[in-house]
Amino acid sequence: AQSVTQPDIHITVSEGASLELRCNYSYGATPYLFWYVQSPGQGLQLLLKYFSGDTLVQGIKGFEAEFKRSQSSFNLRKPSVHWSDAAEYFCAVGAYNTDKLIFGTGTRLQVFP
Amino acid sequence: EAQVTQNPRYLITVTGKKLTVTCSQNMNHEYMSWYRQDPGLGLRQIYYSMNVEVTDKGDVPEGYKVSRKEKRNFPLILESPSPNQTSLYFCASSSRDGVRSPLHFGNGTRLTVT
Repeated sequence: AQSVTQPDIHITVSEGASLELRCNYSYGATPYLFWYVQSPGQGLQLLLKYFSGDTLVQGIKGFEAEFKRSQSSFNLRKPSVHWSDAAEYFCAVGAYNTDKLIFGTGTRLQVFP
Repeated sequence: EAQVTQNPRYLITVTGKKLTVTCSQNMNHEYMSWYRQDPGLGLRQIYYSMNVEVTDKGDVPEGYKVSRKEKRNFPLILESPSPNQTSLYFCASSSRDGVRSPLHFGNGTRLTVT
């Protein structure tokens, strides 16, 4: 069965610092992988997705993520965090032969000035 | 503007009093879904619909009902709410399914059942 693990519940960084949010998945074949962001009081918004091809994918708001099959990981990165990036981030995995998306438990990002 | 609209944003009710949370999308999407978000559990799917009159259970369907009589609307019905259904609910839609095309989310409905 598919599963997603986000090991970090809460991360705090200073504005301008680099960021890496971890995501590990469990799935037998190549999964479809996603990162969504939830700003306070808002619904979730897609940041980026990986289906196939280049393992480094670029998303909106300056985010990128790298698919590493050997590590079953899809970590989200940003070289320089802005205060407006404070939000909750969800990694999600889907299987090509299903219509179900499995979400991780989320990582709450706090940004200090 | 393309959007998913949920109403109400906040709802406080008592145990056993039937309620409906509405969801409407203006993107002509075929796929719609309901999720609940609880601390430490992330988002869990309640029900989803691949098209009009086609609905199916997600991971946590107990205590909920849905209907899809029109393409744009996908209401969530709690026939007899209980305190364990206190949660933040999200409706989402996509053009194809929940995996191959991005999900568009509403802004959520915070439900409290006392």
